[in-house]
Amino acid sequence: SQQGEEDPQALSIQEGENATMNCSYKTSINNLQWYRQNSGRGLVHLILIRSNEREKHSGRLRVTLDTSKKSSSLLITASRAADTASYFCATDRGRSGGGADGLTFGKGTHLIIQP
Amino acid sequence: EAQVTQNPRYLITVTGKKLTVTCSQNMNHEYMSWYRQDPGLGLRQIYYSMNVEVTDKGDVPEGYKVSRKEKRNFPLILESPSPNQTSLYFCATGTGLPLHFGNGTRLTVT
Repeated sequence: SQQGEEDPQALSIQEGENATMNCSYKTSINNLQWYRQNSGRGLVHLILIRSNEREKHSGRLRVTLDTSKKSSSLLITASRAADTASYFCATDRGRSGGGADGLTFGKGTHLIIQP
Repeated sequence: EAQVTQNPRYLITVTGKKLTVTCSQNMNHEYMSWYRQDPGLGLRQIYYSMNVEVTDKGDVPEGYKVSRKEKRNFPLILESPSPNQTSLYFCATGTGLPLHFGNGTRLTVT
């Protein structure tokens, strides 16, 4: 079963606006990651946040993690047309203490940036 | 340049005809994995390998086989493909996290 679930399923905003996507999960995690996928291509890693971290930044990306609510959010500030893609959260199930073998992906949020 | 190479990129085949999708990485990663991506279901793990000769089932292994005879290659084998295996397949590698993904293989089984 899916561990991470993104919300919303799809989001369309104007260029320059901020985009926020949420991820909820069910069991305890060691870390949570966000990946981006351009149409039909492989996923590209964006950012990883560990369970003992609450917020992390990388360029125009800001990720928060609330382990008490089992949720995470990805904020993209000052969106650009090139940010149009699907975004996935991935959580580890701790099969090997936080390794890649325990990684479970959500169904993704499809983000469309209107020029 | 770090690469995860999948071949073929597209494949259309018929039910029951054995096929192999190859995955090769040049990063000396120990971990390799196969995922399938279907609309509304996201990515689901098929098989993974923690090292040479070490493979294990993911969430949806039925109908698939893998082998890891050498570190750089992790082929996905469909002995008798069926239409429900029509999907977009991704190979991923890493030394722990994060994962590096190939560009995908779009498989259609008629």
